This record gives sequence, C-alpha cells and structure tokens, in this order.
Amino acid sequence: DVKVTQSSRYLVKRTGEKVFLECVQDMDHENMFWYRQDPGLGLRLIYFSYDVKMKEKGDIPEGYSVSREKKERFSLILESASTNQTSMYLCASSSFPRGSSYNEQFFGPGTRLTVL
Amino acid sequence: KQEVTQIPAALSVPEGENLVLNCSFTDSAIYNLQWFRQDPGKGLTSLLLIQSSQREQTSGRLNASLDKSSGRSTLYIAASQPGDSATYLCAVFRSNDYKLSFGAGTTVTVRA
Repeated sequence: DVKVTQSSRYLVKRTGEKVFLECVQDMDHENMFWYRQDPGLGLRLIYFSYDVKMKEKGDIPEGYSVSREKKERFSLILESASTNQTSMYLCASSSFPRGSSYNEQFFGPGTRLTVL
Repeated sequence: KQEVTQIPAALSVPEGENLVLNCSFTDSAIYNLQWFRQDPGKGLTSLLLIQSSQREQTSGRLNASLDKSSGRSTLYIAASQPGDSATYLCAVFRSNDYKLSFGAGTTVTVRA
C-alpha cells in the first residue's frame, strides 16, 4: 500500500513565524502535491512537483513556497505565517508521468495548522 | 475555470437505504474523475477512479458513473451502514493543466 506521511497532525504557530510542513511518500512516486482544505471551499492546490527540484504553482500559491530536494520528500514553507493561513494542509502523491491520463492521487493524514 | 459542485452538502439516511451522491463539473476537458472518502479530521481515501473514456466503475457496494458530455458523475452506495458515515468528495483531473479540481463534498450520516 502507498503510504504518505506528514510530520505533524496538529501545529500551533504565531503570526510571523516561519513554518515548515513535511511530507514523505514511500512508493517512489514522481508527483507530489500540497493542498489546503477549508470549510465550504473544498481542497485547493497550493503547489506541486513532478520531479526533484521541480515545482509548479497551483491555484493559490501566494504566501507559500516549497522545496523538493529528494524524490520522497516535499516540504511546504510558510515564510511568515498569517492568521488566514490557519487551515488543514494535505499532502498527496501520484506515480504516473505528468502528462498521463491515469493520475490517481494518494493522500496523507493532514496537518491542522492554527496561526495565532 | 473548472467548477465542481456537489449537492446536497449534507445527507442523513437510515441504515440499509441506498445512497446517491451527485457531482457536476463545468468543463468536460477532463482525463478522469476520482471519488474520495474523508473521515473527520483525517486525510482522503481514494474510492474509485473513472477514466474519461469509461461510463462507470464498481467496487463492492460502490458504483460510480460518469457522463462527461453532461458534466455529471454519481456515486451510489448500496445498503448503507453506519460505517459509511463520512464526507465524500469528487475531483476531476483537468486535461489542460494536469491538476485536480475538487468539490466541497457531501457529508453523509447513516443512522443505526
């Protein structure tokens, strides 16, 4: 079974802090994704990566950056956390090439971040 | 811009009743559609994935249909059980930029 793990289930930070969210997958997947989930808005894509050191902006990249130094690990960085970044953050991975039509995504358990 | 809508937002049924969950999308340029289940405070579990060339997919008590031309998918859950209580999300894989667009979900409660 595919396993996607996230470094923390719950995180509380203060406004202005730098925040790192880590995601690791153990199935050698090429693609990794970061989403945030808010009530009534569904999941929205922040950033994704289809290869090591490659990244692309999703639908809501403002206020975030990412890092992918190793294939199995994808980090989401909040350079200066703000209260409007309080949310559930979900990481996902998929195995098929970026242009492939078969792109089933597998999700981690999520990190609930609260920014005070 | 792809918009994905799930109606109703919430549903409560007695145990044993069949569940019908609806998903609609505005742009038919999709590669596939995926149904997920999410338990409170947890991540997403993939239930079914339907390729754009397919009409339906089945797994156990679950059956999902896809009508790409009309922009609709339906998830059927037969003989519902209390353990089926969760939020169900649909997502379409956009063929123009290879990204998923999610609906906001339908929260299902199955009463014992």
